[in-house]
Amino acid sequence: DAKTTQPTSMDCAEGRAANLPCNHSTISGNEYVYWYRQIHSQGPQYIIHGLKNNETNEMASLIITEDRKSSTLILPHATLRDTAVYYCIVRVWNNFNKFYFGSGTKLNVKP
Amino acid sequence: DAGVTQSPTHLIKTRGQHVTLRCSPISGHKSVSWYQQVLGQGPQFIFQYYEKEERGRGNFPDRFSARQFPNYSSELNVNALLLGDSALYLCASSLGQGYAYEQYFGPGTRLTVT
Repeated sequence: DAKTTQPTSMDCAEGRAANLPCNHSTISGNEYVYWYRQIHSQGPQYIIHGLKNNETNEMASLIITEDRKSSTLILPHATLRDTAVYYCIVRVWNNFNKFYFGSGTKLNVKP
Repeated sequence: DAGVTQSPTHLIKTRGQHVTLRCSPISGHKSVSWYQQVLGQGPQFIFQYYEKEERGRGNFPDRFSARQFPNYSSELNVNALLLGDSALYLCASSLGQGYAYEQYFGPGTRLTVT
């Protein structure tokens, strides 16, 4: 019952920006978009989240379209250590917070 | 500060056996969630506990159960293990349930059922 769709894999050159797209066309008005990444089957690591405004932190930027049906995670200067599976997640509130993970995008950063 | 810790790291069990997995949340965090991640897939939600009460349950059979203790640590129990239960089991903790909700994941327990 994933609520997001992402490309299976993407390549990016080291030092370049990595733009990871995500579709969440069934998202509701009060549901947040989160991004996590997972390296070598370790626990997922939080990156960023947003509702409808663009967000930026020290790791990445999150661009959410005006209709909220899609978003893009931007890693401004990818390094080899950014090679990981990136998950776009919708957080749903139904008396508790539930994360719906998709299958993720394997980002390969190449020298 | 210590992050979310889980034990054991790896576990091998036989079909039909029972297993208990343990999780200690970040200090001060009152909510714990459990996820199952089968190889090649994203994590799937199993349970969420907040203030020692079950707040949510995913689409998993009754063989899966959990509880949260007064110190906010948690256990996940799985009875009558099946081969399909082989997976990475992740625990995540959060401060509360508010709008700025963030989950912090532990390293996981790798369960292999033979």
